[in-house]
Amino acid sequence: QKEVEQDPGPLSVPEGAIVSLNCTYSNSAFQYFMWYRQYSRKGPELLMYTYSSGNKEDGRFTAQVDKSSKYISLFIRDSQPSDSATYLCAMTSTSGTYKYIFGTGTRLKVLA
Amino acid sequence: DARVTQTPRHKVTEMGQEVTMRCQPILGHNTVFWYRQTMMQGLELLAYFRNRAPLDDSGMPKDRFSAEMPDATLATLKIQPSEPRDSAVYFCASGLARTYSPHGYTFGSGTRLTVV
Repeated sequence: QKEVEQDPGPLSVPEGAIVSLNCTYSNSAFQYFMWYRQYSRKGPELLMYTYSSGNKEDGRFTAQVDKSSKYISLFIRDSQPSDSATYLCAMTSTSGTYKYIFGTGTRLKVLA
Repeated sequence: DARVTQTPRHKVTEMGQEVTMRCQPILGHNTVFWYRQTMMQGLELLAYFRNRAPLDDSGMPKDRFSAEMPDATLATLKIQPSEPRDSAVYFCASGLARTYSPHGYTFGSGTRLTVV
């Protein structure tokens, strides 16, 4: 079993829909959680990061962490065709090594 | 915008040949990572450096892969000899790691390697 699990999709939604992307993990030492967006043939780019449990909002994006369930989510409101990409979750502990463990990514397609 | 520069962008080589990939991290960043991305495995960490010193290369096949940082502006990943199973996209990422406060890292655009 992988340390981080992510549904590969693809996930197709109509423009304007609310999108929910999720990851589960098994290592309770993880404290820092990130979401990256990767467009086709590009490198991942950091969207959001959160520490420990709770919510964080940035524009149309909300990141949510539930450490008791070992479950993190990224919500995208009013989704746009430009949001079509692969979304990767990543996480690390506070051990000082800063080694990120990535999920395999969920492909999202927002249809105009 | 500061960016991580990787060369070459694409590489096609024959099995058994040596492959060298290069990365120029963002100036001032003290941590450099090498990742490999495939459809099946996703992003796998191969090696990383802090202040040019290798901290962890446990994800790398030691018999054929090697990673170095000859200076603060250059990181290299070599494969010798290359095999078809090495075909993947190789990403370099750099960042500034602060005690107790890791942040996300900036990725390059990757080197797409095909070994035939």
